[in-house]
This record gives sequence, structure tokens and C-alpha cells, in this order.
Amino acid sequence: GESVGLHLPTLSVQEGDNSIINCAYSNSASDYFIWYKQESGKGPQFIIDIRSNMDKRQGQRVTVLLNKTVKHLSLQIAATQPGDSAVYFCAEFKGSGGSYIPTFGRGTSLIVHP
Amino acid sequence: GAGVSQSPSNKVTEKGKDVELRCDPISGHTALYWYRQSLGQGLEFLIYFQGNSAPDKSGLPSDRFSAERTGGSVSTLTIQRTQQEDSAVYLCASSLTPGPGTEAFFGQGTRLTVV
Repeated sequence: GESVGLHLPTLSVQEGDNSIINCAYSNSASDYFIWYKQESGKGPQFIIDIRSNMDKRQGQRVTVLLNKTVKHLSLQIAATQPGDSAVYFCAEFKGSGGSYIPTFGRGTSLIVHP
Repeated sequence: GAGVSQSPSNKVTEKGKDVELRCDPISGHTALYWYRQSLGQGLEFLIYFQGNSAPDKSGLPSDRFSAERTGGSVSTLTIQRTQQEDSAVYLCASSLTPGPGTEAFFGQGTRLTVV
């Protein structure tokens, strides 16, 4: 059957390689960003976040970089594992008129080959 | 509960019928979001509830779509006179308070198929 990733940008890597997933966000007023991982048949899961007053944040095997000048966000995954295979979304948050709503990018399908 | 719960997990309905999708957010979370995800696509914002404030309905695609949140907790998304293009996964998320540093937790989604 058709998979969620069929129509999405796809990144294929070998197990053990480092992966870099990129995201261009739309609004220079966005003040908070989250990377989500979505496995097939599941809802998105939080990976790592970063506020707009930071350039870099590190977690366990993951690093998020934020370049506000060009409105670009990246997710780096070190020593990629087969379990990392999923669709990855970036979300930008911006307050407006009392609402604080995340807007999601299109997503990138990461395929990790053993 | 431990996480955001959505029901049903799958729903098949005939074109023209009405459907109701339910979301139980994490207890104490004041913000609740509904999104729609079509096959191979990103998440499309539908509606946002925050506390007792009027909901932000700016993402609802047509007047066939509506949502309620009762008692600041459970939410129901209703789609009237369903069309085949309504087929998608409907995701609900909640967060403790809206603002930087408070992540949105997602449910597993309801897969709606209109035949």
C-alpha cells in the first residue's frame, strides 16, 4: 500500500550515518519551534524544541539549529538508526490575536537502511 | 489519562452522512488543537481552543465543519454531509498553556474514510 512518505521529500541514509533534515519556516515573528517525528499510523511525537532567542539546542543524538536570518531550521540526527525511520515535521509557533497555533511544514521522510 | 486520546481510531462513512470525532486531551491542558492530515501531506490546522476564550476557527475548510469543547476538556469535531475529499487522518493535540516552551502533545488520530 501507499505510505505517508510517498509524496514527501525523502532522505535515505545508511545506519550509523548522520542525518540532516531541513525546514524553511514562513514567519519571522515565530518565537518557538518544535521538531516532531511521525511513524506510520501514529500521531506526531515531540523530538526537540528551540526558542527564537537561541541558535542551537542539543538533545540525545539530536541537535536543532535555528537561523533566523534566512528563516531556516535544521534537525541533525547523529548515528542514525533504523528506528529513526519516520516522517519529520518542523512546527513554528506564533501568537496572534490571542491564539498560539503551530504551523507545520510539509515533512521529510527519513529512510534508514540497515 | 496519560496522553491525548482520540476515538474512534478508524471511521468509514458513506458520502453525505455526518460524523463526530472525539478528542480527550491531557488533563489540565488548556489549549486544544485539531489538525487534518491527508495522505502524504503535512498537518493542516483546523481549529484551536484556549480556556474559555472564543475558539479560533480560521482553519475550518467549510461550514460543514464545526467543533465544540465542553467544560474545557473533551472536544468533538463534527463533519456534516461528508464528502470524499474529507477522507484524511484527523489529529488532536493539547498543550498545558500556550506559549514558548510548552509543547503540543498529539493523539493517535482518527482515520476517516468517506466512501
